[in-house]
Amino acid sequence: EADIYQTPRYLVIGTGKKITLECSQTMGHDKMYWYQQDPGMELHLIHYSYGVNSTEKGDLSSESTVSRIRTEHFPLTLESARPSHTSQYLCASSDIYEQYFGPGTRLTVT
Amino acid sequence: GDSVTQMEGPVTLSEEAFLTINCTYTATGYPSLFWYVQYPGEGLQLLLKATKADDKGSNKGFEATYRKETTSFHLEKGSVQVSDSAVYFCALSRGYQKVTFGTGTKLQVIP
Repeated sequence: EADIYQTPRYLVIGTGKKITLECSQTMGHDKMYWYQQDPGMELHLIHYSYGVNSTEKGDLSSESTVSRIRTEHFPLTLESARPSHTSQYLCASSDIYEQYFGPGTRLTVT
Repeated sequence: GDSVTQMEGPVTLSEEAFLTINCTYTATGYPSLFWYVQYPGEGLQLLLKATKADDKGSNKGFEATYRKETTSFHLEKGSVQVSDSAVYFCALSRGYQKVTFGTGTKLQVIP
């Protein structure tokens, strides 16, 4: 079983609030990712990191930001949440063989 | 660029039916191919993989064969169960690079 954790699992907040979605892994992986999953199930890569102090934007433009100060930790922040940010957010890390996913955070912005 | 195309769902089958979910890919070189499964309310987990042509990945009764000549990696299972109801993602990776996912196929198995 993969050792990658996301908190919170579910979050309902009002418009304009600042939120941080947490993601941690204990496998020592350098590479980590954030995906946004829409109701149609498709995964969209929004951020990735190849190591400490390295972050890149993904294929889908996102108003969120990320940081990678420690290998095991890759939080995602929304400075001002909007209803359009309502979605499922999945964090993952990888070795050379496969990606390992966390359980996801279901975010609802009202 | 790399791409993965998989059949659209949802796919609805009766218990014990035969399952095929088609997946084809476009990539340069020799990618590794994967099937991930996502159960309701969870993240994705690796179901099986194949790293070179003609390899067969298998797990939990599911199988897929890496066919380079047809650039395909179709997922099959001989007898599905209600517990197999989930979303299945085909994916590829070229070495230490980002993974490219298909759009996902939802499978519903009815008793």
